[in-house]
Amino acid sequence: EIVMTQSPATLSLSPGERATLSCRASQSVSSGYLSWYQQKPGQAPRLLIYGASNRAPGIPDRFSGGGSGTDFTLTISSLQPEDFAVYFCQQDYNYVLTFGGGTRVEIK
Amino acid sequence: QLQLRESGPGLVKSSETLSLTCTVSGDSISSDNYFWGWIRQPPGTGLEWIGSFSSSENTYYNPSLKSRVAISVDTSKNQFSLKLTSVTAADTAVYYCARGGDGTWNFMGRLADWGQGTLVTVSS
Repeated sequence: EIVMTQSPATLSLSPGERATLSCRASQSVSSGYLSWYQQKPGQAPRLLIYGASNRAPGIPDRFSGGGSGTDFTLTISSLQPEDFAVYFCQQDYNYVLTFGGGTRVEIK
Repeated sequence: QLQLRESGPGLVKSSETLSLTCTVSGDSISSDNYFWGWIRQPPGTGLEWIGSFSSSENTYYNPSLKSRVAISVDTSKNQFSLKLTSVTAADTAVYYCARGGDGTWNFMGRLADWGQGTLVTVSS
């Protein structure tokens, strides 16, 4: 099983600032199988990024994903009030899905 | 528009079997090229994939839960179900059903559509 480790656990930033979230896999992951999700309290997760760098329909362009191999990043270029939430990365290798533990982006 | 809705008991006794159903509207689970599955989230923690299936009748399970999990399909009702046996307090979670894939039987983990989730509490 591929273990996904996210850092930091919590990111305290102000609106307008840039957020950079990291996700590291315990072994190499094909970029096509790396996704990012946003989750707000009491809601289901929402797909933000698939294939490591492709925005899902309706996702603002301030969200971007990158990376390859074992290291991936999610960047929010300028935090909006609605972006304060928890973010999860996830991989899909050989029909087994695993999620990272999440990064909480909170208002500083 | 695709909608998924989880239903089932909100309280299950320890050592018994948890049973949930996902009702799908806006798409046919038997005729498309997507994956359908279950994900859970214990209170205040992260997400755990339980298992998924495709309309090609392939089923995939989380290795850590495989011995206790079964996913079944009722195409006449456009529903799929989850059974988790021998539950303990560690199985207390919000359970989500979701659709994955890109429509070509690839990328099972691309979970673009989710139900609202249902909380299941395991009591002793």
